[in-house]
Amino acid sequence: NAGVTQTPKFQVLKTGQSMTLQCAQDMNHNSMYWYRQDPGMGLRLIYYSASEGTTDKGEVPNGYNVSRLNKREFSLRLESAAPSQTSVYFCASSVAGGPPLPEQYFGPGTRLTVT
Amino acid sequence: DQQVKQNSPSLSVQEGRISILNCDYTNSMFDYFLWYKKYPAEGPTFLISISSIKDKNEDGRFTVFLNKSAKHLSLHIVPSQPGDSAVYFCAGEGYNNNDMRFGAGTRLTVKP
Repeated sequence: NAGVTQTPKFQVLKTGQSMTLQCAQDMNHNSMYWYRQDPGMGLRLIYYSASEGTTDKGEVPNGYNVSRLNKREFSLRLESAAPSQTSVYFCASSVAGGPPLPEQYFGPGTRLTVT
Repeated sequence: DQQVKQNSPSLSVQEGRISILNCDYTNSMFDYFLWYKKYPAEGPTFLISISSIKDKNEDGRFTVFLNKSAKHLSLHIVPSQPGDSAVYFCAGEGYNNNDMRFGAGTRLTVKP
């Protein structure tokens, strides 16, 4: 089992460019999440998908869109990248949503730099 | 609005001694707390959790204590091992059941 995989591992974008971060899980989990991690801020939830076919905004959704392509895959799209989106992005999955929120399994992260 | 705070960015302890990592929260609606551990270039991994109806949960060398009146929790690692060196994140589960709020993390270094 690969768990949660993310591509790419690293990416450099120029301001205004677009890109899609890919995430896939092979654990048959229902819920999937996208977080960003910034220095001194911990992880902040961007979007989540409680189950296939549904998506909801998290704490910091502005500038992002998501697609739950199927049960395995959850992608995050930056339509017009900005330097403020420079961050490390983590995808996670869990068996289901809360309550209580079960443990989440995280991918290795994508380090994105926007110049 | 940082609802979960880890005020110590780093902690260094000697192998075999106790490590105590602290976490404070402001949101009284949290009713479940989790600790995650993160190694460099990897995603966080779940460590231990506690429900707000309890004041202690133990799993091997790891114990989490919750003081609801003080809105404070702590993670104790006894005895500490060099492999425990990592960044530890505290998180509270928010009221909408998918809203987990993380602290900024504490980097623990265990010296041999």
